[in-house]
Amino acid sequence: DQQVKQNSPSLSVQEGRISILNCDYTNSMFDYFLWYKKYPAEGPTFLISISSIKDKNEDGRFTVFLNKSAKHLSLHIVPSQPGDSAVYFCAASARSNFGNEKLTFGTGTRLTIIP
Amino acid sequence: DSGVTQTPKHLITATGQRVTLRCSPRSGDLSVYWYQQSLDQGLQFLIQYYNGEERAKGNILERFSAQQFPDLHSELNLSSLELGDSALYFCASSVIRAYTEAFFGQGTRLTVV
Repeated sequence: DQQVKQNSPSLSVQEGRISILNCDYTNSMFDYFLWYKKYPAEGPTFLISISSIKDKNEDGRFTVFLNKSAKHLSLHIVPSQPGDSAVYFCAASARSNFGNEKLTFGTGTRLTIIP
Repeated sequence: DSGVTQTPKHLITATGQRVTLRCSPRSGDLSVYWYQQSLDQGLQFLIQYYNGEERAKGNILERFSAQQFPDLHSELNLSSLELGDSALYFCASSVIRAYTEAFFGQGTRLTVV
């Protein structure tokens, strides 16, 4: 049962334009959401997160939007840069559920920025 | 550098063998998580330890086991290896039980031949 879904395996965006990566979840217990970026041969690195009490969180070029009613979140990267080319994983956790803090990951979206 | 150290980086072994993967968490982190990433798959949660005790289990096979030692480093033991166990194994650590984010090591690439 895939509780966190990233339905787009890949995305190509022109340099300078906006990249929008999407993620859907099914578990209503999830209350914290994160995006990780992964380069080949490296471990995932934390990018940005959002608590379920918010609907938007911004950090520089990266903004995460959360729509709880739709159980949907998205990551916006503006402007997109060649160094943003990587695999992006959406992850979720149920921090309020004691003993269940593990991150549940989506399958990832490979973002390619075209110069 | 995330501060999480995994050894070895690469491991090639034969079917039926047993291997041990090691993880040193970031200084001060009490929680350690193990994840498996097979080819073109997402990260599958295997198991979590907090301050030496098992906290949560995911889809971890019975042939696999883990432990966290008093110095907080963790080991993942994989036995009776099969070809399908070939994957990247990641360790992550976080400060407290209800964490904000987890920091990942660079992973151990296991190849079973």
